[in-house]
Amino acid sequence: QVQLVQSGAEVKKPGASVKVSCKVSGFTLSELSIHWVRQAPGKGLEWMGGFDPQDDETIVAQKFQDRVTMTEDTSTDTAYMELKSLKYEDSAFYYCAAPETDTWYFDYWGQGTLLTVSS
Amino acid sequence: DIRLTQSPSFLSASVGDRVTITCRASQDVNSYLAWYQQKPGKAPKLLIYAASTLQSGVPSRFSGSESGTDFTLTISNLQPEDFATYYCQQVDSFPRGTFGQGTRLEI
Repeated sequence: QVQLVQSGAEVKKPGASVKVSCKVSGFTLSELSIHWVRQAPGKGLEWMGGFDPQDDETIVAQKFQDRVTMTEDTSTDTAYMELKSLKYEDSAFYYCAAPETDTWYFDYWGQGTLLTVSS
Repeated sequence: DIRLTQSPSFLSASVGDRVTITCRASQDVNSYLAWYQQKPGKAPKLLIYAASTLQSGVPSRFSGSESGTDFTLTISNLQPEDFATYYCQQVDSFPRGTFGQGTRLEI
């Protein structure tokens, strides 16, 4: 049974950075392609980026390309998403998600990490 | 970039009803489309992938179909636990992973 367990809620000031973690259990991180999806309060889902096994590279949505870094630590089976230069509108739930196979359909989801950007 | 437009944005129905939610893609996505269900305070759950394949464990009252760039999620015999928000997602072309804006299904 695959589980994705994310780090806890964060409160950051505008201009700061945040790093959210996603620990994998039941599989090894190298067996999964981790993606990140965010959801502002009361709003829809927004795909941010993730690992594409077909191209063997991390793909990031254009909107986030200059501010997001997605990394992995296979020794601890933990994926990370760092978002820099935070803005008020970055306040949202951030989810890690993963497909079971080499697809982009997200079978597994973390519980979400709430980021609040506030001065 | 591919855009997904869901309709309606809001849907009111009753237990036992049959409802249909539509997702229109701005260009061909070659059946690479999924449907997710999200309940308040929870992560989304994959219901259907490849336009019409039911994810394991999902009740058979959920079904998906496609006609060109129009995709449909149908829920037959609505149950109380089906009242949630539903999202479509395309995984065909960059930006792969794009979601529709969501459809809120309420009693």
